Amino acid sequence: DGGITQSPKYLFRKEGQNVTLSCEQNLNHDAMYWYRQDPGQGLRLIYYSQIVNDFQKGDIAEGYSVSREKKESFPLTVTSAQKNPTAFYLCASSIYGGGDNEQFFGPGTRLTVL
Amino acid sequence: GNSVTQMEGPVTLSEEAFLTINCTYTATGYPSLFWYVQYPGEGLQLLLKATKADDKGSNKGFEATYRKETTSFHLEKGSVQVSDSAVYFCALKELTGGGNKLTFGTGTQLKVEL
Repeated sequence: DGGITQSPKYLFRKEGQNVTLSCEQNLNHDAMYWYRQDPGQGLRLIYYSQIVNDFQKGDIAEGYSVSREKKESFPLTVTSAQKNPTAFYLCASSIYGGGDNEQFFGPGTRLTVL
Repeated sequence: GNSVTQMEGPVTLSEEAFLTINCTYTATGYPSLFWYVQYPGEGLQLLLKATKADDKGSNKGFEATYRKETTSFHLEKGSVQVSDSAVYFCALKELTGGGNKLTFGTGTQLKVEL
């Protein structure tokens, strides 16, 4: 089955530690995205990548980093510089970045920083 | 900048009631408009979309019409079911000058009771 997988579903980390969230897709999509979801605030874009080895900052990139070494993978690192990292993180992909093509979402990872 | 405003929830309805979730937007160009649905503990799924003024998107009994004159994209369903209980997000994407970003509203939780 084609789709987007995110792991783990729940993640707990101590304050001050970096943590990497996994996102893998087997849809052969060029574009991938990371969003953060907080209660009452909807989704906000952290980073996006239109092609391999290229990515752009979204609206709230501070304290986060990404890489896109392979087409199917777009890991997100939440660094210790992120002031309030506890949130639900959603990864998405689309065939390509332009136009109004659909973004497909993964099931999400809930990160809790203790 | 772009923005999307949705009615606050939760919206609580009895089964078979009529549903309206209001959505208005602000955009500098000519956006495409989307409704996404998020079931508990899951990622987002595209429910319907409209790409130009007066277009009507429809899916699974849900409908929304792109109204440029009122900058609105209200979601409607004639008879809701318990299985429709979820959070609904209105979103826009500009096709020119807006990059590849979706701008989301804050989401409206729908609860349908027997």
